[in-house]
Amino acid sequence: DTEVTQTPKHLVMGMTNKKSLKCEQHMGHRAMYWYKQKAKKPPELMFVYSYEKLSINESVPSRFSPECPNSSLLNLHLHALQPEDSALYLCASSHGYSNQPQHFGDGTRLSIL
Amino acid sequence: DQQVKQNSPSLSVQEGRISILNCDYTNSMFDYFLWYKKYPAEGPTFLISISSIKDKNEDGRFTVFLNKSAKHLSLHIVPSQPGDSAVYFCAASQDFNKFYFGSGTKLNVKP
Repeated sequence: DTEVTQTPKHLVMGMTNKKSLKCEQHMGHRAMYWYKQKAKKPPELMFVYSYEKLSINESVPSRFSPECPNSSLLNLHLHALQPEDSALYLCASSHGYSNQPQHFGDGTRLSIL
Repeated sequence: DQQVKQNSPSLSVQEGRISILNCDYTNSMFDYFLWYKKYPAEGPTFLISISSIKDKNEDGRFTVFLNKSAKHLSLHIVPSQPGDSAVYFCAASQDFNKFYFGSGTKLNVKP
């Protein structure tokens, strides 16, 4: 069982819809991450939150909007997505200091019609 | 430009034999390296890691070797079991918040 929980597991949305992806961890981790993964490609970092503050934004388009309401929760708000945004979106968390691994959720499979 | 590369997309090994998965990196500033295992429909699961101050780290059937001069990382699984069949990703970090992943190697362990 993964200790990082992502909902929903699957999401199909139109290009004009607004939806949110949710991620939760209860391991006391202080860093949380969003990754995007396309088929047969490595996970690509999108955002990093450290102590509930956005610390890294990898030049992600503004149609993706992250939010960290508290140290256990991470959201990714989606609006006006494009078909090329269809991918697996992975959330991860870590203690947030050196030589500590990230722990991943099972991801949300997103399809944009 | 990918800083972490796994040049073998797939590997097939007989049960009980050794599996060797390889990974190369280009950034000499990386100081922490990890291996993840991923089953279908699940997220990557952390397997084993190594700091750049070491050249070997062992955990049960899994051993990771680091050759800094060659910028090469390998994962040895001995003995291989059918349940080890999965996609294996290597990852590297120089900043504890930023990890770079290889594209993965699909391991198939045949009974």
